[in-house]
Amino acid sequence: SAVISQKPSRDICQRGTSLTIQCQVDSQVTMMFWYRQQPGQSLTLIATANQGSEATYESGFVIDKFPISRPNLTFSTLTVSNMSPEDSSIYLCSAAGTRFNTGELFFGEGSRLTVL
Amino acid sequence: TQLLEQSPQFLSIQEGENLTVYCNSSSVFSSLQWYRQEPGEGPVLLVTVVTGGEVKKLKRLTFQFGDARKDSSLHITAAQPGDTGLYLCAGETSGSRLTFGEGTQLTVNP
Repeated sequence: SAVISQKPSRDICQRGTSLTIQCQVDSQVTMMFWYRQQPGQSLTLIATANQGSEATYESGFVIDKFPISRPNLTFSTLTVSNMSPEDSSIYLCSAAGTRFNTGELFFGEGSRLTVL
Repeated sequence: TQLLEQSPQFLSIQEGENLTVYCNSSSVFSSLQWYRQEPGEGPVLLVTVVTGGEVKKLKRLTFQFGDARKDSSLHITAAQPGDTGLYLCAGETSGSRLTFGEGTQLTVNP
């Protein structure tokens, strides 16, 4: 299995500021994704983080609001820009395609963001 | 947009009871996965079903994939308080991208 660590685990931010969430995987993975989840509700895919190129965003999500980096096969960041209270959510990093398991999707514990 | 409808949304039962959670879509998925999530943690994969009509068992949990690969069910026998959690179905589209159902919050009371 892959172990995924996210930082910060939670944060409280002011409206209009930006926050960068880091995601570190303990092994090289092919695919990395960022999801958003309201507590107790479903997950919505924000984007696929592509190594060495621009992320692929889902409908309703744009690069200016959620810039994503993936400099190598084990690390990615998601920035939530110009935050508003509507951005309060749990942001989850996930990864698939490890050396020993190509299909299973692993998740980090999430970063709970509260925007005041 | 491929949507997955999950039901029921909330389920509260007594220890020892059986339950079934349903996941339905009008779309065909290459595979369907079931996850369980506890508060403060990320979802953890329980099972992946790939073949239409496939049935998989994981201890007291039985997972079934519909013949047309559009729907799935999760049946728990003799539920225990440790089964409490958010159960999510997810359909795989392309490149490991998943579409998640709305989730079923299960509470098993001792």
